[in-house]
Amino acid sequence: EDQVTQSPEALRLQEGESSSLNCSYTVSGLRGLFWYRQDPGKGPEFLFTLYSAGEEKEKERLKATLTKKESFLHITAPKPEDSATYLCAVQANSGNTDKLIFGTGTRLQVFP
Amino acid sequence: EAQVTQNPRYLITVTGKKLTVTCSQNMNHEYMSWYRQDPGLGLRQIYYSMNVEVTDKGDVPEGYKVSRKEKRNFPLILESPSPNQTSLYFCASTNTHRGGGEKLFFGSGTQLSVL
Repeated sequence: EDQVTQSPEALRLQEGESSSLNCSYTVSGLRGLFWYRQDPGKGPEFLFTLYSAGEEKEKERLKATLTKKESFLHITAPKPEDSATYLCAVQANSGNTDKLIFGTGTRLQVFP
Repeated sequence: EAQVTQNPRYLITVTGKKLTVTCSQNMNHEYMSWYRQDPGLGLRQIYYSMNVEVTDKGDVPEGYKVSRKEKRNFPLILESPSPNQTSLYFCASTNTHRGGGEKLFFGSGTQLSVL
């Protein structure tokens, strides 16, 4: 069964303390892996797309990487404004259609 | 400003009373989709539309209807809401021709409570 699992569920960091969020997946026919950020009371906001193992994308303090089984979202020297829930989603080929599966997210809190 | 607009933001209703949640996008996107978000379950797709008059079921379509008569609008209809449809709903759109998960623009959400 296609599955996307994010860990940890919640993460508390001090400002400047770098860390990584994990998204592991078991799907047949990976089409793409996506990272989104969701602030309280808002819809998710697109961050990155990764298509193949070894690919990396960066944006400010965030860097996303992809292997054949998982993706990491590395946060370098985080600031309080990076506090949000980070969602991972995988697009997989399912028969003659594509299927999009979201993980349940990692809730990140960065305190001063 | 590019955006997806959902209305209403909050809705409390009673079992069986038909309701519609509206969704409109101003980016000329072909692909639009509805999701529900429940604690511990993540976002799950209800219905999607690849273009005008083209709609298809997602993972959890039971109890919902959609229509796509115009490119910009994609309303979600609950003809006879039940308490298990209490959830946070999101509309989303994208311009990638395959749709899917890339660069989805999400609305701000509709919190629905069915009593």
